[in-house]
Parts: sequence; structure tokens; C-alpha cells
Amino acid sequence: DAGVIQSPRHEVTEMGQEVTLRCKPISGHNSLFWYRQTMMRGLELLIYFNNNVPIDDSGMPEDRFSAKMPNASFSTLKIQPSEPRDSAVYFCASTDTTQGYYGYTFGSGTRLTVV
Amino acid sequence: AQSVTQPDIHITVSEGASLELRCNYSYGATPYLFWYVQSPGQGLQLLLKYFSGDTLVQGIKGFEAEFKRSQSSFNLRKPSVHWSDAAEYFCAVGAFSGGYNKLIFGAGTRLAVHP
Repeated sequence: DAGVIQSPRHEVTEMGQEVTLRCKPISGHNSLFWYRQTMMRGLELLIYFNNNVPIDDSGMPEDRFSAKMPNASFSTLKIQPSEPRDSAVYFCASTDTTQGYYGYTFGSGTRLTVV
Repeated sequence: AQSVTQPDIHITVSEGASLELRCNYSYGATPYLFWYVQSPGQGLQLLLKYFSGDTLVQGIKGFEAEFKRSQSSFNLRKPSVHWSDAAEYFCAVGAFSGGYNKLIFGAGTRLAVHP
């Protein structure tokens, strides 16, 4: 398996623009997580999907952030409009909770810079 | 509330020296415990995990960790550090919260290795 695949690896955008981050989880995994990593706040859980359904979005910073999982093999995290304080590394992770609890597999992340 | 504390933000060791990274957790039930490593520009890779049984667990890359319930600790060790071990290390506890299992991460310990 190719692991969790995220795109793009790097994104530079201007303040006010829409940004879409993409994630392909490991095939067969039923749970997907979006995390944000910054120096100041460390790793923050943004949203959790189980069987494509959002279960916990309490970590989403504000209404400018939205996430979707239209099918088991694809998820997006959208920021509209983007702001400089959104600059961070965004990670997607997946796991298969039907096989017990074995931790997550992380993607390589998307480094977002908003100027 | 569940939490993970990594007391050391930065640690520097010489190549070939032994290493111990500290991790303390707060969780009411028997925890699932994990150590992840993040190399620069990469996602988080699972080093090892503890669920139950033998309190000394072996992981990849020559790492091991010992679960000590009395001290609420799960310290990571390696007998001889290699320059390639320079990275950031995250301890995490798997907690059942909000109706599902989630990983709660510590702030991380950045390891530097001197030649």
C-alpha cells in the first residue's frame, strides 16, 4: 500500500484565497483524521470521520474551515478565505478501527503558507 | 482530562550515547500508549505501541519503551543513538473521549545528535 497520500506537499497562497487540501487514506481504513501542526500549538486534531461521516469537528478553528469525505478513498479540507494565521502543516491520518486500536498512519503533510 | 506531558522540549546527545525521552500521561483507565517519530519535512511514523502485557515493548529502529503504571510514564529508550535518529519524537495516549478513540499527543521532544 502506498500509505496515506496528501496533496499538494506545499501550497503558497495569498490572503483571502480559497485553499483545498486533499487526502487519500489507506484502502480499507474506516477512520480519517485531519490534524494541524504549528510551533505554537503543536498537533491539533481538527476533524474526525468514521465511515465517511464527520463525528467530531470540535477542533475546526472557525467557519472558514470545512472538511468533506465524499467516499472512503478521498477527503478534502478547505479554507475559505485563507488568512496568514492559517499557515501550518496539515496532516491527514487514517486507521481501521474494526481491527482493534492500533494507532494512526499519517501522510507526509501539506505545508501551507498564506502571505 | 486526558493529557500527555513530554517534559523535555530539546535534547542533545552524542552519537553512540544512550537516550531516554520522557513521557508522562494522565488517563483514568488502562491506556494505549504510542511513540511516533517525525523527521524534518515528513509525517509521523509509528515507532512502537503498548496495549497490554509485557511492560517493555520493542519498536523499530532499535527503540524500546517501558510502561510504568505507578509512575504514569512511558519513556522511550535507545542504547546507542545514530546521527539519523535526529528528529522530533511524540508520545501519545489513545483515549476514549467524545464517543470514540482518539490519540492525544504530547508537545514533542526535539532530538539533536552530535557527531
